[in-house]
Amino acid sequence: DSGVTQTPKHLITATGQRVTLRCSPRSGDLSVYWYQQSLDQGLQFLIQYYNGEERAKGNILERFSAQQFPDLHSELNLSSLELGDSALYFCASSVDPVIGGEQFFGPGTRLTVL
Amino acid sequence: AQTVTQSQPEMSVQEAETVTLSCTYDTSENNYYLFWYKQPPSRQMILVIRQEAYKQQNATENRFSVNFQKAAKSFSLKISDSQLGDTAMYFCASFQGAQKLVFGQGTRLTINP
Repeated sequence: DSGVTQTPKHLITATGQRVTLRCSPRSGDLSVYWYQQSLDQGLQFLIQYYNGEERAKGNILERFSAQQFPDLHSELNLSSLELGDSALYFCASSVDPVIGGEQFFGPGTRLTVL
Repeated sequence: AQTVTQSQPEMSVQEAETVTLSCTYDTSENNYYLFWYKQPPSRQMILVIRQEAYKQQNATENRFSVNFQKAAKSFSLKISDSQLGDTAMYFCASFQGAQKLVFGQGTRLTINP
């Protein structure tokens, strides 16, 4: 158990819908990262937050957005869902990205868009 | 752009054998970090080993060790005395610029009894 929690574990929805994925980082970790793992694209970085502020953005679609709240939990919002958005979405956390410490991954949320 | 390349999509060895997984990366940074993550069938991402680029000594964690060749930008993972539980996807990753992990495409490792 990494100490990072993600809910829900599985999500099945239809095209055009909107979903919210939730992540709670390890106690004491200020940085949260979101990654998408799909069959054809591998593991792709989406976005990073540090202590409530956006730090870095990857290839995140405009239909996707995220935020980190004062209690440090984070939410990833996916809207106007398409079939290609079906993937495993991971949240990871670390103490301080500048230190370069390892990122601890949650169990992931498997999103299926029908 | 940062890239990480794993040239072996699949590997298979017998239990108790030693296996080496290859990884090369691209960087213009002097300071960076390299990782190997394991993803078993449960899909959980588990950190196997970590190497800091400024350290010349190769990292070791029990049966897992790395061969870090900085000039060649190579970072291979050696698993000694392989066990059935080592069966998983293995991802090499680099961390640069305090921003994100960049992953290779993965190597599917199967340990046969």
